[in-house]
Amino acid sequence: TQLLEQSPQFLSIQEGENLTVYCNSSSVFSSLQWYRQEPGEGPVLLVTVVTGGEVKKLKRLTFQFGDARKDSSLHITAAQPGDTGLYLCAGPGRAGGTSYGKLTFGQGTILTVHP
Amino acid sequence: DTGVSQDPRHKITKRGQNVTFRCDPISEHNRLYWYRQTLGQGPEFLTYFQNEAQLEKSRLLSDRFSAERPKGSFSTLEIQRTEQGDSAMYLCASSLARSSGRATGELFFGEGSRLTVL
Repeated sequence: TQLLEQSPQFLSIQEGENLTVYCNSSSVFSSLQWYRQEPGEGPVLLVTVVTGGEVKKLKRLTFQFGDARKDSSLHITAAQPGDTGLYLCAGPGRAGGTSYGKLTFGQGTILTVHP
Repeated sequence: DTGVSQDPRHKITKRGQNVTFRCDPISEHNRLYWYRQTLGQGPEFLTYFQNEAQLEKSRLLSDRFSAERPKGSFSTLEIQRTEQGDSAMYLCASSLARSSGRATGELFFGEGSRLTVL
């Protein structure tokens, strides 16, 4: 069973601060995805990282895939209250496989950004 | 709205009752997935369909759970003889698989159906 461990589980910060969320596994993943989920809503895909060492930027969000493809991080610069939500990392259900939708999710990081 | 829609959004039931959830995927998507999410956890895979065929079921899906996608469009998830441990958010997602059989990789989730079993 492939597990994804996210840390921290909870993060409460002030507007303008920077933060990093980590997603770690002992297994190699062909790709990892990051989703954001707001209360009462389904997860929404933010990014997919595929290549070891890859860095992707989405406005103030920077995503990195570890060289060994076992871990990933999400860094938010100058957080805003609108960034509040549950951040989830997810990987394909089997190592080396292409994501066909059977995703393994981490337990999530609940981020609260106070004005 | 052309996203994934789920109905009902909320369901409160008494232990032992049966409940059914419906999911309407994005119309051109041929793959449909059901996930379950409990408070403070990430979603857990339950089952998925390619068109009308149910191709995989998780061990989490006990005999009390049944999912169908009779015409390859909408899907239903039925839980019989509900238990308090069934209380969760049931998420439906859809995606488009290429002719090679590989999915595009992006799942589009619905807003979920929250079940509370008293």
